[in-house]
Amino acid sequence: SQELEQSPQSLIVQEGKNLTINCTSSKTLYGLYWYKQKYGEGLIFLMMLQKGGEEKSHEKITAKLDEKKQQSSLHITASQPSHAGIYLCGAPRTDSWGKLQFGAGTQVVVTP
Amino acid sequence: EAQVTQNPRYLITVTGKKLTVTCSQNMNHEYMSWYRQDPGLGLRQIYYSMNVEVTDKGDVPEGYKVSRKEKRNFPLILESPSPNQTSLYFCASSFRASRDSSYEQYFGPGTRLTVT
Repeated sequence: SQELEQSPQSLIVQEGKNLTINCTSSKTLYGLYWYKQKYGEGLIFLMMLQKGGEEKSHEKITAKLDEKKQQSSLHITASQPSHAGIYLCGAPRTDSWGKLQFGAGTQVVVTP
Repeated sequence: EAQVTQNPRYLITVTGKKLTVTCSQNMNHEYMSWYRQDPGLGLRQIYYSMNVEVTDKGDVPEGYKVSRKEKRNFPLILESPSPNQTSLYFCASSFRASRDSSYEQYFGPGTRLTVT
């Protein structure tokens, strides 16, 4: 079955530094979502990618989907305390697009 | 305001006492879904609905029921809750789910359920 592998599991970054989170699938993706979650709270939609090679940016966050549509990265430039939280990637299953899978999440801690 | 609402937000109950968690969206979305989130296991899909009267199992449907009689509502029913259903539950909705296009999923605020 298709699974989404997210890495790293967690990371600590100093305020002002950049960080990158990766999300990898063993199968071609129909679409890829990135969400942010504060601990124990709801998920906030960040970006959605559909086309191979697509790149989207919002404020200091950039997400890319590779040409083969099997890997996505989320890059945060000049991290701030507001960027702390859990980042999750999600995608429709290739065998049933009503079913969605999510990566295990990456916990981001931003230190002063 | 476009939103997905869930009720209750917090619930403590006892084993075997039937309960329903409601989910409602005001965006006229066709697709709705329920997830549970557990430490170390991530977010897992319980059930989903492609449209009214169309529901299907996700990855962890055991012990749960759903219904979709109206477009806006998608309640999650636990007929006989057990302690292993203690979890954080999320409802989500999307314009549509299709192979050709992906649409943003809007998530509710979550329901924290404890079964003793």
